Amino acid sequence: EPEVTQTPSHQVTQMGQEVILRCVPISNHLYFYWYRQILGQKVEFLVSFYNNEISEKSEIFDDQFSVERPDGSNFTLKIRSTKLEDSAMYFCASSEGVAYLSPQHFGDGTRLSIL
Amino acid sequence: SQELEQSPQSLIVQEGKNLTINCTSSKTLYGLYWYKQKYGEGLIFLMMLQKGGEEKSHEKITAKLDEKKQQSSLHITASQPSHAGIYLCGAHDRGSTLGRLYFGRGTQLTVWP
Repeated sequence: EPEVTQTPSHQVTQMGQEVILRCVPISNHLYFYWYRQILGQKVEFLVSFYNNEISEKSEIFDDQFSVERPDGSNFTLKIRSTKLEDSAMYFCASSEGVAYLSPQHFGDGTRLSIL
Repeated sequence: SQELEQSPQSLIVQEGKNLTINCTSSKTLYGLYWYKQKYGEGLIFLMMLQKGGEEKSHEKITAKLDEKKQQSSLHITASQPSHAGIYLCGAHDRGSTLGRLYFGRGTQLTVWP
């Protein structure tokens, strides 16, 4: 069964450093998402991406965050200057179609720890 | 924005027992998703419900959507240890046609043999 893959599974970074989280969505999917889950809290939406541009972003997704699809397979989330409060599990998801029509399939996540 | 409340927060059942998890929305539901998460892992898609009154089953798990009550329920029949995990419901906000999902806090299910 095709799946969303994320690397690395765990990333430890010093505060203020840049970090790039990588995702390979399911190959025929067209819509891509990033979510995060701070320990003990809800899964929260960060951003959706379609046709090489951001479709929607949440209030969490400020200027420190950016997303990119550098080639036909990868989808990345960059945090420019990490803060302690960025420590969380980050999930990438993809879907074949738009909301209400297609479920989003999630990767296993990258646990980001900021020191 | 969409607010989803799940109940109970946690559930401990003996293997073989039936159980129900509920998800109640602050707004009209336009589709409801159920996911399962194992601790520290990703979300596994279980089912998507799109219309009021819709009911779907997969193996021993059945989910229903009651649009009037703005509620969905997930029922597990004859629970097994493999059912253990965190069950999350998710929904779109009507204003978002682009896929943003809101999630409940989850229900932690423990099944003991």
